Amino acid sequence: DIQMTQSPSTLSASVGDRVTITCRASQSINSWLAWYQQKPGKAPKLLISQASSLESGVPSRFSGSGSGTEFTLTISGLQPDDFATYYCQQYNGFVFTFGPGTKVDI
Amino acid sequence: QLQLQESGPGLVKPSETLSLTCTVSGGSIRTSSYYWGWIRQPPGKGLEWIGSLLYSGRLHNSGNIYYNPSLKSRVTISVDTSKNQLVLRLTSVTAADAAGYFCARQKYNYRLGELSSFDYWGQGTRVTVSS
Repeated sequence: DIQMTQSPSTLSASVGDRVTITCRASQSINSWLAWYQQKPGKAPKLLISQASSLESGVPSRFSGSGSGTEFTLTISGLQPDDFATYYCQQYNGFVFTFGPGTKVDI
Repeated sequence: QLQLQESGPGLVKPSETLSLTCTVSGGSIRTSSYYWGWIRQPPGKGLEWIGSLLYSGRLHNSGNIYYNPSLKSRVTISVDTSKNQLVLRLTSVTAADAAGYFCARQKYNYRLGELSSFDYWGQGTRVTVSS
């Protein structure tokens, strides 16, 4: 199975900061990667698919990039509503795995 | 607006079978355009995919259901089309199966036969395993 790692595991930031989260796959997954945002007690929310394609309704301050084994999620101008945990998910093939998560807090 | 709602017993005894349902409203589970999946999350931990199913009308076709290899021997995912529900059964549960369980819709490119991300999620239901 493809293993996913994320760094950092926790990120302390302030409103207005530019934040970057890295996700790495144990083997190439082309661009088959999604990013989710999860707040405590809530379901994950899909932000980005295919590494860089923003889902409808997601603010443009979120962006994704990368291919192969290394990917990034960038939040340009962190807003109070963005403090949450972020997960990447690979979908190369028919076994799907998530990264361990990155918590963005104040 | 598509909505998913998980339900089931919040407490299951060790070695017993966990059964959960996911009721889909605002859309039909009998679609060939999307898969339907289960994902779980132990308390304070990350997300683990359990399995995904595409309704085909012939569910004995194993090509329409994919399971996490680590859970495959204990998991069954099916549909109840009369109730527009997705059903999860997990046998021989242990404390390691205690988690929040989510159902979600999974995007599917039928021309390429490829699954991708999960775009609609239920709110989740918490399961405790204890005698």
